[in-house]
Amino acid sequence: QKEVEQNSGPLSVPEGAIASLNCTYSDRVSQSFFWYRQYSGKSPELIMSIYSNGDKEDGRFTAQLNKASQYVSLLIRDSQPSDSATYLCAVIKAAGNKLTFGGGTRVLVKP
Amino acid sequence: GAVVSQHPSWVICKSGTSVKIECRSLDFQATTMFWYRQFPKQSLMLMATSNEGSKATYEQGVEKDKFLINHASLTLSTLTVTSAHPEDSSFYICSAADRGNHRAFFGQGTRLTVV
Repeated sequence: QKEVEQNSGPLSVPEGAIASLNCTYSDRVSQSFFWYRQYSGKSPELIMSIYSNGDKEDGRFTAQLNKASQYVSLLIRDSQPSDSATYLCAVIKAAGNKLTFGGGTRVLVKP
Repeated sequence: GAVVSQHPSWVICKSGTSVKIECRSLDFQATTMFWYRQFPKQSLMLMATSNEGSKATYEQGVEKDKFLINHASLTLSTLTVTSAHPEDSSFYICSAADRGNHRAFFGQGTRLTVV
């Protein structure tokens, strides 16, 4: 079992719709959770961080964390073609700052 | 947000030569930096953790003698790919952690092509 798992996609959504991305992690002691966006040929860009159970909203993005289920999700509202990218879920365990990445979910927003 | 600068953004080198990649944190001190490698259509794979003033910690399967890491100051870490071969061609990315929030910021990445 991979430490951080994501559906590779592609997740195809029409422009203006909500894109829903899921991520599960195996280490129950994980404490910090992040979503990164990566455009092709570019390095990842941090878009959301979440540390406690519940929802966290930032603009069109909402991250949801459920530690009991070891599940973190990202919702993108009013999806735009510029949101087309690979979204990486990343987790930091209890000690240190080492990030463990999922395989990424490719999102395609169609006009 | 915090800025991490990586240089060069791309490099082409001949087999057998060495290439040095620099990673700088521009507006914060980073006692720890991370080096990743990403092959096409794959996720980031952590190669090593670079600690200021001490030896780097390498992930399993990463040759420390081939990928030399130096973290001489709180704002600079370097990765040297020694005796490069075509299979070392990849996208190398560094990151530095914002200690207060445990958020990692990435450099722009370096596209290495070994011919």
